[in-house]
Amino acid sequence: DVKVTQSSRYLVKRTGEKVFLECVQDMDHENMFWYRQDPGLGLRLIYFSYDVKMKEKGDIPEGYSVSREKKERFSLILESASTNQTSMYLCASSSHGTGSNEQYFGPGTRLTVT
Amino acid sequence: SQQGEEDPQALSIQEGENATMNCSYKTSINNLQWYRQNSGRGLVHLILIRSNEREKHSGRLRVTLDTSKKSSSLLITASRAADTASYFCATEAAAQKLVFGQGTRLTINP
Repeated sequence: DVKVTQSSRYLVKRTGEKVFLECVQDMDHENMFWYRQDPGLGLRLIYFSYDVKMKEKGDIPEGYSVSREKKERFSLILESASTNQTSMYLCASSSHGTGSNEQYFGPGTRLTVT
Repeated sequence: SQQGEEDPQALSIQEGENATMNCSYKTSINNLQWYRQNSGRGLVHLILIRSNEREKHSGRLRVTLDTSKKSSSLLITASRAADTASYFCATEAAAQKLVFGQGTRLTINP
């Protein structure tokens, strides 16, 4: 059974803290993604990675960075957390194959920045 | 960039009825996918339809795609309480990337 896991379900941080969100997949997928989900805005892509050590900006990369040192792990970093980064963060992975690139999602991390 | 727009934003029906959700998009696509999200959880892939397909079935799900109108619909037949969830369409325009709509919140009343 395929699995994407995220390090925390709920996280509370203070403004200005550095925050690490970890995502691990066990499907040997090449692609990994970080989204944030906010009411009325749907899912918005923050960053994605096609391979180890590769990263591409998504639609809303400002205030975030990522790291992919190993194929199975993709980390999202909030360098200095702000209250407008309070959100649900979803990690996903998919394979490179054409026509079969459905994404597999983790359970999400609900981050609150106070 | 928001590609998919879903309609309605919320839908409430009785158990056993059929539920139809619609998705419109703006640019040419490789495929369109539908996902389900139970409250506070991650998304689960339901079905994928390629741009050269017009209709696809999976169990109680039926998806149609009209590329001339840039629209898709998801039909859930004989709805059950467990179908209560949010449903999202997602389009693949650029390789490997998906753009999600805002979702339809479906409530099935017993």
